[in-house]
Amino acid sequence: DSGVTQTPKHLITATGQRVTLRCSPRSGDLSVYWYQQSLDQGLQFLIQYYNGEERAKGNILERFSAQQFPDLHSELNLSSLELGDSALYFCASSPSDQRRNEQFFGPGTRLTVL
Amino acid sequence: AQSVAQPEDQVNVAEGNPLTVKCTYSVSGNPYLFWYVQYPNRGLQFLLKYITGDNLVKGSYGFEAEFNKSQTSFHLKKPSALVSDSALYFCAVRDMVSRDDKIIFGKGTRLHILP
Repeated sequence: DSGVTQTPKHLITATGQRVTLRCSPRSGDLSVYWYQQSLDQGLQFLIQYYNGEERAKGNILERFSAQQFPDLHSELNLSSLELGDSALYFCASSPSDQRRNEQFFGPGTRLTVL
Repeated sequence: AQSVAQPEDQVNVAEGNPLTVKCTYSVSGNPYLFWYVQYPNRGLQFLLKYITGDNLVKGSYGFEAEFNKSQTSFHLKKPSALVSDSALYFCAVRDMVSRDDKIIFGKGTRLHILP
């Protein structure tokens, strides 16, 4: 158990809908990362937050947004969902914003868009 | 642009034999390099990382990796494979100082250890 929690575990929704994925980092970790894992694209870095502020940005679509709250939990919002958004979404955390830090991954949220 | 290549989708090794999972990278500056393992229906777990210093890095579960700057490689190795090592392995790179800070993962290599 990494200490990172994600809810829900599974999410099934329809195209055009909007969903919110939630992540609680390990106790004391200030950085939160979001990833998308799909069969065709592999593991894609979406975005990093550090202590409430956006720190690094990857291949995140404009339909997707994230934020980190004062209690350090984070939410990833996915809107206008398409079939291709079906994937496993991981959250990870690390103690600081230092690039040398390894990350601790949550168990993921499996999103199915029908 | 940063990139990571894991040239083998799958590696099969007999139990007890040495294993190698290959990774090459490209960054504009100096890299931080990481290996992670993913077991079925689980999140990724950190194995080891290269920051600076000794080119041979030792990590969890008896794994090690060798940083080779001239070949831009960071291959994962283990002297004697166990069936329980069967999993999906990811190499990742992050540029130390680039303003365009992204974390790039390879596509993963599935390791099968045959009993």
